[in-house]
Amino acid sequence: GESVGLHLPTLSVQEGDNSIINCAYSNSASDYFIWYKQESGKGPQFIIDIRSNMDKRQGQRVTVLLNKTVKHLSLQIAATQPGDSAVYFCAESPAGRRALTFGSGTRLQVQP
Amino acid sequence: DSGVTQTPKHLITATGQRVTLRCSPRSGDLSVYWYQQSLDQGLQFLIQYYNGEERAKGNILERFSAQQFPDLHSELNLSSLELGDSALYFCASSTRGGLDTQYFGPGTRLTVL
Repeated sequence: GESVGLHLPTLSVQEGDNSIINCAYSNSASDYFIWYKQESGKGPQFIIDIRSNMDKRQGQRVTVLLNKTVKHLSLQIAATQPGDSAVYFCAESPAGRRALTFGSGTRLQVQP
Repeated sequence: DSGVTQTPKHLITATGQRVTLRCSPRSGDLSVYWYQQSLDQGLQFLIQYYNGEERAKGNILERFSAQQFPDLHSELNLSSLELGDSALYFCASSTRGGLDTQYFGPGTRLTVL
């Protein structure tokens, strides 16, 4: 399959551990944030989103934290599984815009 | 499976040529977005259509154009192709085109030789 982002930062975790993937955003006007997972050969897959009026949102095994003061977003994955291995992108959308601005991505490798 | 379909999956062509990429949004979605993903630029927004009309424009070259048809499918036309246009092209769709979730298709891999 093709390679996406050969020089991405990589987070390597053991199966069963919790993973934390971080993202810094630059636009203080952004009011919508979203995490996508991209497996090799596939399109980005929605994981979870959060609006700027919240600082935490939980999904199934995932939690997104938003710190607007320092413009930081994180994705926490509980009990990481081999199927979680992928590239993870954060994306933001400023108020009044619909298009997403994507971060450069982080590769998550889960060791069995 | 997101429900967004894209054709073709792979496309190989030569410099100077013109190609058309096709996208069918999820059933009921009115908005379509096109993104380009290259190794050095990451995922970049190109253009958005909502119910047949252009809604937002990003880093889309003048050699590229798009349209959304009455049945809501969309086409991205790339002309006078250059080597640097080689990339993955993704289509995403959303219900209304505001702050609702964008669901991505599997992409078209374009290789310009």
